[in-house]
Amino acid sequence: AQKVTQAQTEISVVEKEDVTLDCVYETRDTTYYLFWYKQPPSGELVFLIRRNSFDEQNEISGRYSWNFQKSTSSFNFTITASQVVDSAVYFCALSGGIQGAQKLVFGQGTRLTINP
Amino acid sequence: GAGVSQSPSNKVTEKGKDVELRCDPISGHTALYWYRQSLGQGLEFLIYFQGNSAPDKSGLPSDRFSAERTGGSVSTLTIQRTQQEDSAVYLCASSQGGPYGYTFGSGTRLTVV
Repeated sequence: AQKVTQAQTEISVVEKEDVTLDCVYETRDTTYYLFWYKQPPSGELVFLIRRNSFDEQNEISGRYSWNFQKSTSSFNFTITASQVVDSAVYFCALSGGIQGAQKLVFGQGTRLTINP
Repeated sequence: GAGVSQSPSNKVTEKGKDVELRCDPISGHTALYWYRQSLGQGLEFLIYFQGNSAPDKSGLPSDRFSAERTGGSVSTLTIQRTQQEDSAVYLCASSQGGPYGYTFGSGTRLTVV
């Protein structure tokens, strides 16, 4: 069975601090995909990133970066110099299998609050 | 369309009534998913359609829940004899097949009173 664990239920930091959101996953598939989504107060889920299991390169997009480590089954997300607009619930998700477009299994989410 | 469209955006219904929730996926997207998000909770998978294949219904919580997808496009999620525990936001997503980013709709907030 596939499982995604986001152990941090809530995180609160002061603006401009760096913050890392943890994600640990379990799967028996050798090919799988990992995702991060942002859910701002408006409620829509916003796609942030997708990684496949064969690509362990870290990725950076502006203030966002992702650290994928198969050895620890983790896919952590770091926001550098956080801003109030980063306040949201962040979900890590996993999709497995070579067909790719299978159901996403989500973690429980981490509520991030950035205080001015 | 440009995005995934869901209707209605809000629905209040009396316990015991049936409700239908609609999802219009992005044109050309072959895969369509329904998820449920209860207040303050994560996303719970309900059902997944992929092209003409039999849907994966493994997440439907009871036989009061059903869904169909007509013509490989629009999908309707039906909840019969609604219960208060059905109150949640129901999210629809579509993808073009393969492990590309799933695009989610804005959801339907269902309140059963």
